[in-house]
Amino acid sequence: EPEVTQTPSHQVTQMGQEVILRCVPISNHLYFYWYRQILGQKVEFLVSFYNNEISEKSEIFDDQFSVERPDGSNFTLKIRSTKLEDSAMYFCASRKGTSVKETQYFGPGTRLLVL
Amino acid sequence: AQKITQTQPGMFVQEKEAVTLDCTYDTSDPSYGLFWYKQPSSGEMIFLIYQGSYDQQNATEGRYSLNFQKARKSANLVISASQLGDSAMYFCAMREGGDSSYKLIFGSGTRLLVRP
Repeated sequence: EPEVTQTPSHQVTQMGQEVILRCVPISNHLYFYWYRQILGQKVEFLVSFYNNEISEKSEIFDDQFSVERPDGSNFTLKIRSTKLEDSAMYFCASRKGTSVKETQYFGPGTRLLVL
Repeated sequence: AQKITQTQPGMFVQEKEAVTLDCTYDTSDPSYGLFWYKQPSSGEMIFLIYQGSYDQQNATEGRYSLNFQKARKSANLVISASQLGDSAMYFCAMREGGDSSYKLIFGSGTRLLVRP
């Protein structure tokens, strides 16, 4: 069964460093998402991406964040200058189409720790 | 106002018994979808069940069923015959049909512990 994959599974970085989180969505899916979950809290929407552009972003997704689909398979989230409060689990998700019934499938997550 | 409310931070259930996890939602959009995800201690988000606002019947998927009460704006998850492996965080989420990004809005979750 196809699945969303994410790399790395864990990332430790120093405050102020850039990190790139990578995702490979399910191959025939058209809509891509990043969510984050700070430890012990709920999952929060960061950004949605469709047709090679951002369709919506949350207040969390400020100028320090960017997303890219550099080729036909990868979907990346870049944090330019990490802060301590960026420590969280980051989930990539994808969905196939526009029906309200369409399920979003989540990757296993990347646990980011900023020191 | 919270769009998705899960009022039970933690629940216990005896193995083999049924348990209901509560979820209420708030939307003025007539078209919406409600989802339940399971998050075990390993951290991944596993899709369990979906209910559409126009669905006439309550959704069922194996041991999972959704008690959908539209007038009350509630979508409670029922797990029948609980197993030890059901111990996890459970998140209710909503997608509004008028939201072109189709993003999911999550509740704060309920931690379920199944006792042997």
